[in-house]
Amino acid sequence: AQSVTQPDIHITVSEGASLELRCNYSYGATPYLFWYVQSPGQGLQLLLKYFSGDTLVQGIKGFEAEFKRSQSSFNLRKPSVHWSDAAEYFCAVGSYLSGGGADGLTFGKGTHLIIQP
Amino acid sequence: DGGITQSPKYLFRKEGQNVTLSCEQNLNHDAMYWYRQDPGQGLRLIYYSQIVNDFQKGDIAEGYSVSREKKESFPLTVTSAQKNPTAFYLCASSQERRTNEQFFGPGTRLTVL
Repeated sequence: AQSVTQPDIHITVSEGASLELRCNYSYGATPYLFWYVQSPGQGLQLLLKYFSGDTLVQGIKGFEAEFKRSQSSFNLRKPSVHWSDAAEYFCAVGSYLSGGGADGLTFGKGTHLIIQP
Repeated sequence: DGGITQSPKYLFRKEGQNVTLSCEQNLNHDAMYWYRQDPGQGLRLIYYSQIVNDFQKGDIAEGYSVSREKKESFPLTVTSAQKNPTAFYLCASSQERRTNEQFFGPGTRLTVL
């Protein structure tokens, strides 16, 4: 079964500083990887996704992520954070329905991003 | 505008009562999902449906029930058998069977009094 680990429960970054949120996954086949963002009391918004091809993917709001198969990682980055980036960030892996098991996304437990002025 | 709507946004329930959460989508997606979110736990899959009139249990289906009579609707009933129903419930839909890219609604916060 696949799993996703986000090692950092909370991260505090100064406004204007760079950001990297870590995500490690465990999945037997080629993973389909996602980063979502959630503001308090809201649903999840898709930031970016990796299916195949170029391992550096660009998303909305200036975010990017790099897929590293050798490290089973899909870390999220942003060169300069804004106060509006404060939110909860979730990494997820998608599975192809192959006749058995749950067919939802498997999520990490999330990283809470705090922006210091 | 295409999207997913969930209602109500806040729901209060007395212990022992069943309650139904609504989820509607106008994206013409075949698949729909229900997740439960608890603080520090991420999202956990309750039920999913790949097609009308068919649905499957997820990882934490006990105490919940669903129906899928129409493509655009996937209501979730939280029954009195659910031991700890207070949580944030998120509905999602997908058209990408291979990659499972999902789009989420705004959520319903259920509180049991």
